[in-house]
Amino acid sequence: GAGVSQSPSNKVTEKGKDVELRCDPISGHTALYWYRQSLGQGLEFLIYFQGNSAPDKSGLPSDRFSAERTGGSVSTLTIQRTQQEDSAVYLCASSFQAGRYEQYFGPGTRLTVT
Amino acid sequence: GENVEQHPSTLSVQEGDSAVIKCTYSDSASNYFPWYKQELGKRPQLIIDIRSNVGEKKDQRIAVTLNKTAKHFSLHITETQPEDSAVYFCAASRGNAGNMLTFGGGTRLMVKP
Repeated sequence: GAGVSQSPSNKVTEKGKDVELRCDPISGHTALYWYRQSLGQGLEFLIYFQGNSAPDKSGLPSDRFSAERTGGSVSTLTIQRTQQEDSAVYLCASSFQAGRYEQYFGPGTRLTVT
Repeated sequence: GENVEQHPSTLSVQEGDSAVIKCTYSDSASNYFPWYKQELGKRPQLIIDIRSNVGEKKDQRIAVTLNKTAKHFSLHITETQPEDSAVYFCAASRGNAGNMLTFGGGTRLMVKP
């Protein structure tokens, strides 16, 4: 079946502009995660959605970052007033809860802030 | 919060040799430990995982061992092949209690033919 998809695959923006990154999880997966991977680094947790529960935002680095998940499916990560240190690959993952822990990643969005 | 340390950061082996990557974690409540393989420019791919109720799991040439007392787990790859060359990440989570993954810093594995 279809895996996790993300768009755009690449985004170049000027410092100070807002950007929106989109994630389509695997159909039927109730949990959705956003991670960030800076160049040559590991993955850093940002935010987690589980069903209709309030999201866990504990990983968001600043109040310029926010995310929504509409209808329990598609999610959008928004970064306002982008800074150069926001440049990274933003990865989305989804999993089917109820005892299944495996997370499957999308291809990521490479964000470059100039 | 959880902290995961991964060693070594780079590992070079000859084709056919074994490779071992080690991780330690700090949160005793963590109970799920996956390993991901990431090729250059690609998404992380789940290759094997283990839960805290078992000490070892194998899948063909790869195996993972877990020592909950010492809070460390390891990835073992036998009979390495050039296509095993990639960056490998370990991670830990509390499973159903949120399940957000805390990742190690990654190991770049190079298998020389």
